Amino acid sequence: AQSVTQLDSHVSVSEGTPVLLRCNYSSSYSPSLFWYVQHPNKGLQLLLKYTSAATLVKGINGFEAEFKKSETSFHLTKPSAHMSDAAEYFCVVSDNAGNMLTFGGGTRLMVKP
Amino acid sequence: DAGVIQSPRHEVTEMGQEVTLRCKPISGHDYLFWYRQTMMRGLELLIYFNNNVPIDDSGMPEDRFSAKMPNASFSTLKIQPSEPRDSAVYFCASSLARQLNTEAFFGQGTRLTVV
Repeated sequence: AQSVTQLDSHVSVSEGTPVLLRCNYSSSYSPSLFWYVQHPNKGLQLLLKYTSAATLVKGINGFEAEFKKSETSFHLTKPSAHMSDAAEYFCVVSDNAGNMLTFGGGTRLMVKP
Repeated sequence: DAGVIQSPRHEVTEMGQEVTLRCKPISGHDYLFWYRQTMMRGLELLIYFNNNVPIDDSGMPEDRFSAKMPNASFSTLKIQPSEPRDSAVYFCASSLARQLNTEAFFGQGTRLTVV
């Protein structure tokens, strides 16, 4: 069985300050991990994915995430928030066969001017 | 490719009516997923297909829901009869040859309101 916990349902930051969205997972296998972003009234867009080639994964729009097996975490970070980053972010784990995507509950990021 | 295409984008219907949601996956993708998103329950996987065959429909909430994939380029999700609690955003997603690290590509969703 696999599960994903996003520790914060809402995160609020000021423009230009760092962003940290936390994600912990559990999986019976070596997991595949993803971060998706959903802007209001839009579909989900892939931000980045963990491929096991490197523990620090760089994605689009300046986001990155670090896979820490010992902590079963895959936190999403960005050095400097932009107003356009305001959206909902989903941490996702995939099973060993890659068939089942399990979504976290989502974190709504708000960016204040 | 235009991506995953869903129609309609918005649907408002009366309780008891039949609703059909449509999805065109990315050409060449062999997996197709239907998800439902609500405030209360987040994103839930309803059903997924591999090569047009339903593989896991354990997420389909009840018999009022049915999904078909008559060919590789088209899928439908039908609710009959619809109820107000079915109001949600329904997403279709597709992916290619499911293996480790393969991501799913999502459509824009259909916002369903049952009154």
